[in-house]
Order: sequence, then structure tokens, then C-alpha cells
Amino acid sequence: GAGVSQSPSNKVTEKGKDVELRCDPISGHTALYWYRQSLGQGLEFLIYFQGNSAPDKSGLPSDRFSAERTGGSVSTLTIQRTQQEDSAVYLCASSLFRELGTQYFGPGTRLLVL
Amino acid sequence: SQQGEEDPQALSIQEGENATMNCSYKTSINNLQWYRQNSGRGLVHLILIRSNEREKHSGRLRVTLDTSKKSSSLLITASRAADTASYFCATDLSLLAGGTSYGKLTFGQGTILTVHP
Repeated sequence: GAGVSQSPSNKVTEKGKDVELRCDPISGHTALYWYRQSLGQGLEFLIYFQGNSAPDKSGLPSDRFSAERTGGSVSTLTIQRTQQEDSAVYLCASSLFRELGTQYFGPGTRLLVL
Repeated sequence: SQQGEEDPQALSIQEGENATMNCSYKTSINNLQWYRQNSGRGLVHLILIRSNEREKHSGRLRVTLDTSKKSSSLLITASRAADTASYFCATDLSLLAGGTSYGKLTFGQGTILTVHP
């Protein structure tokens, strides 16, 4: 039915606070990806989920970043003790097939850390 | 450093003209994809070309891939004002044990296309 949804659309937080970003993939899509888009770094891969497991989390910038996926569906990206350099648009994508699969992107969460 | 580098960084044309964007990459790929982004938010998949393909068409889009030169181009024919957006190439060079890819994309910096009515 609906496409990938993300919440919140925008988040303003103070440095040092924790934030949770949510992604609802397209129903039935087993592959889920998080990317980050910032002015200085462009679009960067963060983590890949196949079902509930994350075979590749190599793009997470530091141990302040974590993500989980439950029920093979919703995923949450958590950033602890946010820093100003975490400000970016966080994009989630899902795909039906992990190989040669079109990735469908959500609208993103724009995070601003003051 | 970015796997994909695109040129030009910005392209400004008149409606009806063709727009060509180029992407170069550094390592062997499983496939290359082009995406479009409006207003800095969600990306829309345009076309995927596999490493063993040389050219692909979709409507007004034509993508070529030259693996010997590690480059790809996206051609938009008969452009419209609504084509104004940022365009990104993305390469999939992910590899799981067993030799399958898993869709991890590495994006270029993008080309900002402006089509004037």
C-alpha cells in the first residue's frame, strides 16, 4: 500500500539529548537501509537490515548511533548524546529483494542539533 | 572518499533541450542506479543498470554504462520544468559471503538540474 514513512519529519534537539527516529518500510519488504545526508558528506550509508538482523552496520559513525528492527518491519535509529555534527537528514529505504532491488525511500527526518 | 563522482555539479537548460549527466566510479560494481531528489528530501528511483548491461531506456531517460571506463551517463530528452531536481548516481558494490549483493548504495555528490520554462 503506502510508501515508506518516517517520523518525525523534523526534529530539533539540544546537544547532549538522545533522539529516536522511526522508519516504517513498505509492507513485505525484508531489506531496510538507513542513510544520512548532510552538506559536508553527501549521502552516506549507515546500516542495512535483512529481517531483524543487521549484517552491515559499518556506516554508523560512532557508538552513539544504534538501530534496531522488530518484527521484520519498523526500524528505529537512536542517536545518544547528540552533537551538532549529527545535524542532517536521515533517510530510510526499503527493498523487496536485497539483490538488484529498487530501493524505495521515505521522505526523511531532518534533524537539527542546537 | 565518494565512490561516485558526478559532473557537472550543476546544469541549467531550457525546456525541450536534452540534459546529460555523467558519473564516474572507482571499483567494480554489481549495478549502478540513478535517483532523483526534489527539495532535499526523499529520493525517487529512476533506473537500474546491471554491470553486464550497456544501455537502458525508460521513457525519456537513457542510461549508459561503460565498465571499462567505470562511467555512466544519464540522458533526459525533451526536458520539462518538472524535471528540475538533483540527480544522483549510486553504485552497489556490496558483497555478502557467498557472492551475493545486498544493495548497499554509495552515492555521488549529485548534479543539480534546472530546467527553465
